[in-house]
Order: sequence, then structure tokens, then C-alpha cells
Amino acid sequence: GQQLNQSPQSMFIQEGEDVSMNCTSSSIFNTWLWYKQEPGEGPVLLIALYKAGELTSNGRLTAQFGITRKDSFLNISASIPSDVGIYFCAGRDTGRRALTFGSGTRLQVQP
Amino acid sequence: NAGVTQTPKFRILKIGQSMTLQCAQDMNHNYMYWYRQDPGMGLKLIYYSVGAGITDKGEVPNGYNVSRSTTEDFPLRLELAAPSQTSVYFCASSYRDGEKLFFGSGTQLSVL
Repeated sequence: GQQLNQSPQSMFIQEGEDVSMNCTSSSIFNTWLWYKQEPGEGPVLLIALYKAGELTSNGRLTAQFGITRKDSFLNISASIPSDVGIYFCAGRDTGRRALTFGSGTRLQVQP
Repeated sequence: NAGVTQTPKFRILKIGQSMTLQCAQDMNHNYMYWYRQDPGMGLKLIYYSVGAGITDKGEVPNGYNVSRSTTEDFPLRLELAAPSQTSVYFCASSYRDGEKLFFGSGTQLSVL
């Protein structure tokens, strides 16, 4: 089946630090999405990417659709305590319906 | 702004019992999905629907059934609950196929 490898699995950082996480796929994707999940809630969409090389920002968050179409990156600048949560990448290729999700990056921010 | 509503929020079942997880959306989305999330894992697709009357299997459909009689509702049925079905279940909907999914807040199910 389709594989999405997300790394790192977890991060523990100090408030104010920048964060980077990434996802790689075993196949080419035409859509990449990044979601954040807080405890007891469903994932909430942060950023959607539709073209190879695309770089999109949402406040302090920036995501990129990799040139190879097999990877994507999410950066969070100047982290704050409310950034705590699990960040999921998700992707879709042309041959499949619905999204495939990564296993998540658990982010903890020390005030 | 209800979005995607799931009920119940929590449920404990005995092995062999059956139940239906309810999901409703008020965004007039054609596409709806059921995912399960096991501890420390990502979401795995159980079933999805591209519109009323049309459903299809996802990655892990065994032990589940769905129906889609209206655009708004997409219930998930467990017929003979097993401990392996202990998980958190998320319903989602989208305007376009597989893009920008909106999720409900989840149903935490334990089968003992």
C-alpha cells in the first residue's frame, strides 16, 4: 500500500525556537495537506498545496510541496505554547481516492 | 457553524455487541469519509462516499459497514465488535474528492 513517512515522530522545543518537519512518500502526489490535531479534537487543516515547488504560508507556518512531488515540509517559526499538538501530513495521488495520512509529529513547547 | 458532527463522543462495548456511529455534516459536501486513529498512529481510511447512495471501501473496511441515504448523513456500523476495533473514529467531509477534509471531533470507542 501507499506509504507516508513523517519525521520526526516527536519534538520537544523551547518557546521561540523554529520547528521543521517533513513527509516523504513512496509515490508521486498531486496534493499535500498539513493538519494539526489537539487533544480530544479532530484534525484541523493548516495548509494545502497543489503544485510542485509551491510555497505557502499561514501566519508563522510555511509549507512546501517538494519538487520531486514525493515530499513536503512544514516549518513553524518562533514557536509559542499554543503550537502544542500533533501535526499530520496528508497526501493524495491521481490514482487514489481520499487522503493518505502520515503517522504524525508530536510537538511540545516549553514556555 | 456546526460543520461535521459526530455522536457519541465516548462508548464502551462488549465483545460481540453492535453499534452505529453517527456522522452528519451541514456544508452540503458530497464527499464523506470514516477514518480510525490508533494510539500514536496516523489515520487509516475505513470507508468513503462520493455522494448519496454511493459508498466504497477504504484501507481497513473489515468489520464495518456504511450507508449514505442522504447528503448530510454517513453512519458507520459495527456489527460484531472486537477488541481490535478499539480506536478513535473520525468522520470527515470535503467539497472536492480527497482535498481539504473537515473533521468531526471523534468518537472514542473501547471494546472489552
